[in-house]
Amino acid sequence: GAVVSQHPSWVICKSGTSVKIECRSLDFQATTMFWYRQFPKQSLMLMATSNEGSKATYEQGVEKDKFLINHASLTLSTLTVTSAHPEDSSFYICSSRGPLRGTQETQYFGPGTRLLVL
Amino acid sequence: EDKVVQSPLSLVVHEGDTVTLNCSYEVTNFRSLLWYKQEKKAPTFLFMLTSSGIEKKSGRLSSILDKKELSSILNITATQTGDSAIYLCAVARGGATNKLIFGTGTLLAVQP
Repeated sequence: GAVVSQHPSWVICKSGTSVKIECRSLDFQATTMFWYRQFPKQSLMLMATSNEGSKATYEQGVEKDKFLINHASLTLSTLTVTSAHPEDSSFYICSSRGPLRGTQETQYFGPGTRLLVL
Repeated sequence: EDKVVQSPLSLVVHEGDTVTLNCSYEVTNFRSLLWYKQEKKAPTFLFMLTSSGIEKKSGRLSSILDKKELSSILNITATQTGDSAIYLCAVARGGATNKLIFGTGTLLAVQP
């Protein structure tokens, strides 16, 4: 399957700071990437759809000013958690839509980033 | 409102047992149903199903979709401890973005 990387794999920060998470598709060009959040013992919740060269589309209830998404190239999308608070502590996962015809509905996930806000 | 429901929420079995995981959905503009396995990190892709009645198989895992019943099952035969994971079902909706709607997952624990 397609390879998607995320960096960092984990981060601990103080309340009020901003944290940037990078998501890269390593072996194909991704016009669309997705950002998810997963709390312990819960399923993945889609936060936003990141489109290369245009503004991200946020799901209802997700603050776009708090979770800044930038998809400046076909291989990189970034999620910045601004002024992070303890309740933002979670597992953030990005995914990329499959590159080939017939696999475009398949999403390939990055390894995730664990964020802990103290 | 679109929803995907999985059952059971959790399951404990012994090695060698066969398990069946269920996924039902109510999603407008259904395109496909996907199964993922999640261990300690991000989910890994198992199957994508688009047509009813056609079984997809990979080793000891198999899955089938029933569009009339709006459901799918994932079977695992001769379970091993390495099968212990959360199994996620997701439905892809039609449209430009191909968003996935995830179920809550089934936690499978396989005991030696």
